[in-house]
Amino acid sequence: KNQVEQSPQSLIILEGKNCTLQCNYTVSPFSNLRWYKQDTGRGPVSLTIMTFSENTKSNGRYTATLDADTKQSSLHITASQLSDSASYICVVSRGELGNYQLIWGAGTKLIIKP
Amino acid sequence: DGGITQSPKYLFRKEGQNVTLSCEQNLNHDAMYWYRQDPGQGLRLIYYSQIVNDFQKGDIAEGYSVSREKKESFPLTVTSAQKNPTAFYLCASTNTHGSPDTQYFGPGTRLTVL
Repeated sequence: KNQVEQSPQSLIILEGKNCTLQCNYTVSPFSNLRWYKQDTGRGPVSLTIMTFSENTKSNGRYTATLDADTKQSSLHITASQLSDSASYICVVSRGELGNYQLIWGAGTKLIIKP
Repeated sequence: DGGITQSPKYLFRKEGQNVTLSCEQNLNHDAMYWYRQDPGQGLRLIYYSQIVNDFQKGDIAEGYSVSREKKESFPLTVTSAQKNPTAFYLCASTNTHGSPDTQYFGPGTRLTVL
């Protein structure tokens, strides 16, 4: 079964600290993996996208990693800010050219405390 | 939120009523999507449209209907047949359905049944 599982479900950290969110997937055939950030009551916004051959992708203080062998990805946030409080969703695209399907994780809710 | 708008932001529905959620995009995208988001779950696809005057059922289409008369517009009607409609509804668009392109989301509509 094609699934994307994220952990933890929720996380509270102090402002300025680092954190890492996890995404495990059982999706085949794998095309790419995206991380989205969703502020409360808003639509998701794409942070990073990685294909099979990419191990690391950065976007400012956000760094995503991908291990295609173990089917795991992580999103590392450095020097967290209050504005990082949001849900972070991992999405895996499966399929082949012209016929892709998105498999969505349930997200990790991150709360940054001052 | 890019170039996608959704209205209204909040919507209340009485039992037995049909309600229509609006979605408009100015990104010149061919493909448009409707998702439903419930707490603790990943996004679930309701309907999608690849081109004008064409649309396909997603994973949870029962109790919903759509139309695509214009490229820019993809309204969703939640009918009285949908027994549990309280949720956060997200509209998205992308260049071409079935491609690995990023989906861009609107700000969402929160529907509550009274």
